[in-house]
Amino acid sequence: QKEVEQDPGPLSVPEGAIVSLNCTYSNSAFQYFMWYRQYSRKGPELLMYTYSSGNKEDGRFTAQVDKSSKYISLFIRDSQPSDSATYLCAMSVTSGTYKYIFGTGTRLKVLA
Amino acid sequence: GAGVSQSPSNKVTEKGKDVELRCDPISGHTALYWYRQSLGQGLEFLIYFQGNSAPDKSGLPSDRFSAERTGGSVSTLTIQRTQQEDSAVYLCASSLQLGGAGELFFGSGTQLSVL
Repeated sequence: QKEVEQDPGPLSVPEGAIVSLNCTYSNSAFQYFMWYRQYSRKGPELLMYTYSSGNKEDGRFTAQVDKSSKYISLFIRDSQPSDSATYLCAMSVTSGTYKYIFGTGTRLKVLA
Repeated sequence: GAGVSQSPSNKVTEKGKDVELRCDPISGHTALYWYRQSLGQGLEFLIYFQGNSAPDKSGLPSDRFSAERTGGSVSTLTIQRTQQEDSAVYLCASSLQLGGAGELFFGSGTQLSVL
């Protein structure tokens, strides 16, 4: 079993829809949770990060962490065709090692 | 340069040959990471550097893989006696901060194809 699980999609939604992307994880020591966006043939770019549990909002994007369920989510409101990309969750612990564990990524397509 | 630079962008090699992949991080970034991305596998951690030392190389798949970093800057990932299963995109990232909420800045990767 992988430490971080993510549905690979693809996920197709109409423009303006609310998108929900999710990851589950098994390592309870994870404390930092991040979402990266990757366009085709490019490296991933950081969208948002959250420390421990709770919500964080940035414009149309909201990140949620539920540590009790080992479940994190990224919501995109009013989705746009330019949001079409692969979204990867990433996690890390606070001590011992500074590597980031990534999910497989979910491919999102927003249809105009 | 303004971002992380990787070279070559594409590399086609024959099975059994050695390859070297290069990463130029953002100036001043002390942390440097190597990941491998295969279809459906997400980003697989290989190794990270703090300065010139590699505290965690647990992700290197076999002893055919090695990496070094010199002068706290450029890093080279070497794959010896390449195999077809080594075909993937190799991504390098650098960061001001090691771990935690430190943002990783990725290069565009090297697409390695082993025939």
